[in-house]
Amino acid sequence: NAGVTQTPKFRVLKTGQSMTLLCAQDMNHEYMYWYRQDPGMGLRLIHYSVGEGTTAKGEVPDGYNVSRLKKQNFLLGLESAAPSQTSVYFCASSYSLSGNEQFFGPGTRLTVL
Amino acid sequence: KQEVTQIPAALSVPEGENLVLNCSFTDSAIYNLQWFRQDPGKGLTSLLLIQSSQREQTSGRLNASLDKSSGRSTLYIAASQPGDSATYLCAVARGSTLGRLYFGRGTQLTVWP
Repeated sequence: NAGVTQTPKFRVLKTGQSMTLLCAQDMNHEYMYWYRQDPGMGLRLIHYSVGEGTTAKGEVPDGYNVSRLKKQNFLLGLESAAPSQTSVYFCASSYSLSGNEQFFGPGTRLTVL
Repeated sequence: KQEVTQIPAALSVPEGENLVLNCSFTDSAIYNLQWFRQDPGKGLTSLLLIQSSQREQTSGRLNASLDKSSGRSTLYIAASQPGDSATYLCAVARGSTLGRLYFGRGTQLTVWP
């Protein structure tokens, strides 16, 4: 099992550019999450999904969109990147919402110039 | 709002010491508490998950305890090794905000030979 994988690992964007981060899991988990990690702020939830075709907002959703067209994939989109979105992005998945542990991917380091 | 605090922010110890990392949370209405390890530039690795009905969990040299009424958890590492050097994160899941983990900012541990 590969667990949770993320692509790309690194990316540099210019302000206003768009991109999509891909998260894939092979554990047949229903629930998937996108977090961002910033120095001094800890990890914060951006969006999450409780199943194929469903998404919900987390703590810091502005500037991001997500889609869950397939159970194993969760995409995070930035339509018009801003320097404030420079961060490390982590995807996670779990079998259930609160009772089970979340498994994390290796992260994507994004820099917006 | 749930706030999670980890003390100390950094800890440096010689190899072989037993050590305790602390985590406190403001809202005792939690579903579970999870301890993670994060190596520099890497993702999060789940170490232990304690359900709200449990008092402690053990895995090898690691023991985590949970006291919901006082809003505290401790991670005990026995006979520390240089390979234990990493940042340790505590996260809680609340019942009222299913799917979201509230993270502390972590304790950066250095174990020197």
